[in-house]
Amino acid sequence: GQQLNQSPQSMFIQEGEDVSMNCTSSSIFNTWLWYKQDPGEGPVLLIALYKAGELTSNGRLTAQFGITRKDSFLNISASIPSDVGIYFCAGWDYGGSQGNLIFGKGTKLSVKP
Amino acid sequence: EAQVTQNPRYLITVTGKKLTVTCSQNMNHEYMSWYRQDPGLGLRQIYYSMNVEVTDKGDVPEGYKVSRKEKRNFPLILESPSPNQTSLYFCASSLLSRTGELFFGEGSRLTVL
Repeated sequence: GQQLNQSPQSMFIQEGEDVSMNCTSSSIFNTWLWYKQDPGEGPVLLIALYKAGELTSNGRLTAQFGITRKDSFLNISASIPSDVGIYFCAGWDYGGSQGNLIFGKGTKLSVKP
Repeated sequence: EAQVTQNPRYLITVTGKKLTVTCSQNMNHEYMSWYRQDPGLGLRQIYYSMNVEVTDKGDVPEGYKVSRKEKRNFPLILESPSPNQTSLYFCASSLLSRTGELFFGEGSRLTVL
């Protein structure tokens, strides 16, 4: 099936640093989304992107839907300890099978105070 | 409070003993889905449902069954569990008009001995 390549797999950063992670695919997606999973909990939606080229912010988070529709990135500015968790990108595939949301394997973020 | 509720949250069982993980949402969502999360593999879709009486296979449906008799409920059935089904399971739901914007349950950690 389709796959999303998410990188990096893990990041260890100092509090206050900016973070950048991205997701690429060999296929086109109509929607890109970013989720965060805190330890012991289910993923929570951070940002949803619906148009190629779209740039959306949510507080310190900024995400973009790549113009080719095959990639997306997420930036976190001025990281804080509560940013720790696993970040997943996801792409929604309308073609072929209906209702198929493909997830990347996640970026594990650790923030050192 | 809007939520997706899964039960049980934790379960240890033995090979071959049928079990059901229940999932219920109170948001009147049409779309519901089951995922399993394994280390290094991210979130993989097992089954999904676009509406009542409509279900379809995801990426890893083998060994699982689902049903969608009511809009709010989407149980996951393991007819004859095997050790390779030991995993963390998540149920999720969304509006059909906002597919991809999933609300996740808190997860059910299943161990099959």
